[in-house]
Amino acid sequence: EAGVAQSPRYKIIEKRQSVAFWCNPISGHATLYWYQQILGQGPKLLIQFQNNGVVDDSQLPKDRFSAERLKGVDSTLKIQPAKLEDSAVYLCASSPLAGPDTQYFGPGTRLTVL
Amino acid sequence: QKEVEQNSGPLSVPEGAIASLNCTYSDRGSQSFFWYRQYSGKSPELIMFIYSNGDKEDGRFTAQLNKASQYVSLLIRDSQPSDSATYLCAVNNNDMRFGAGTRLTVKP
Repeated sequence: EAGVAQSPRYKIIEKRQSVAFWCNPISGHATLYWYQQILGQGPKLLIQFQNNGVVDDSQLPKDRFSAERLKGVDSTLKIQPAKLEDSAVYLCASSPLAGPDTQYFGPGTRLTVL
Repeated sequence: QKEVEQNSGPLSVPEGAIASLNCTYSDRGSQSFFWYRQYSGKSPELIMFIYSNGDKEDGRFTAQLNKASQYVSLLIRDSQPSDSATYLCAVNNNDMRFGAGTRLTVKP
């Protein structure tokens, strides 16, 4: 079974530029999560989707971050405009609707904002 | 007060010893508890989860949960150098909250 796929793996941009990350969850997983992990910290949940609906986006900085999951499968997270403090690893995770709410993480996208 | 607290370490143990990792949480309504391992530069991978008070064993790993004390721990028996990583405690009550992790080093 293929795991969670993310792209790109690395991205370097200058502040005030925009950037987008893509995630494809494990096949059949209804729930998809985006996390931000700053160096030395644990992952922080940005947004949670169930199918194509938003369950929780309380920690998403909505003035610059947006996310969508149009067909209930893959998802895109966008930052516009980026700030220096957005430098982090952006992790996508998925979990099945039924059974334990365990989450499976993708490899992440390492973003550097200069 | 942080929602999920872990000792940042580093925790150093000799090969073959028992490593004990601790975590406290603030939300009494939390329902499920997870331990993830994260190697440097890699994404977190699930070690085990626990829902009920008491102990849960899986191979060399034992998770312990005490909801009254809002405390969850992970014991690693017969620690190996390959266990050297950061261990993340995560607590779920409708949304997952992670601690900052404890860095474990197992010395040969």
